[in-house]
Amino acid sequence: NAGVTQTPKFRVLKTGQSMTLLCAQDMNHEYMYWYRQDPGMGLRLIHYSVGEGTTAKGEVPDGYNVSRLKKQNFLLGLESAAPSQTSVYFCASKNAGPEETQYFGPGTRLLVL
Amino acid sequence: GENVEQHPSTLSVQEGDSAVIKCTYSDSASNYFPWYKQELGKRPQLIIDIRSNVGEKKDQRIAVTLNKTAKHFSLHITETQPEDSAVYFCAASNSGGSNYKLTFGKGTLLTVNP
Repeated sequence: NAGVTQTPKFRVLKTGQSMTLLCAQDMNHEYMYWYRQDPGMGLRLIHYSVGEGTTAKGEVPDGYNVSRLKKQNFLLGLESAAPSQTSVYFCASKNAGPEETQYFGPGTRLLVL
Repeated sequence: GENVEQHPSTLSVQEGDSAVIKCTYSDSASNYFPWYKQELGKRPQLIIDIRSNVGEKKDQRIAVTLNKTAKHFSLHITETQPEDSAVYFCAASNSGGSNYKLTFGKGTLLTVNP
């Protein structure tokens, strides 16, 4: 069981470039989440999904898009990267059920120049 | 939406002392309160959680208390050890409706000095 994995681990982009971050989980979890973590700001929810084919906006969705075509994968896209999107991105997943634990991936460090 | 405030932002203790981190929440409908620990360069991991029908929960050196009336909850670590050094996040959610989201506090950097 790999749990929650993220690809890539680290990426440098130039302003205006696009990229996709991949999150994969092998725990058959229904719910998946994308967070960004910035110093002193905690974990802020970007987008989330409550099932295959569904997505919803979180607290800070602007500049990002997501897709959940397969239950085990949740993709986060940046269409035109900005320096303000420099951050560490964490994916998480959880089982259905109101109080199930969220399991986090190892994170992706993104630097936008 | 929910707002979670966490204090202090940094906390330094001597090994063996106790550490207390406090959080307040705004949504009276919130009923699930997990705590996550994040070591440097690692992912956040759940260490303990509490439901709104419980006032206190313990797991070895870690305990969490909840005061629903005042809308605050706290993490208590006793007999701290250097390996307790990490960032701790509190969170809150309303698990009774269709809201499957956690709202996190901004974190507390705990340093345990040997």
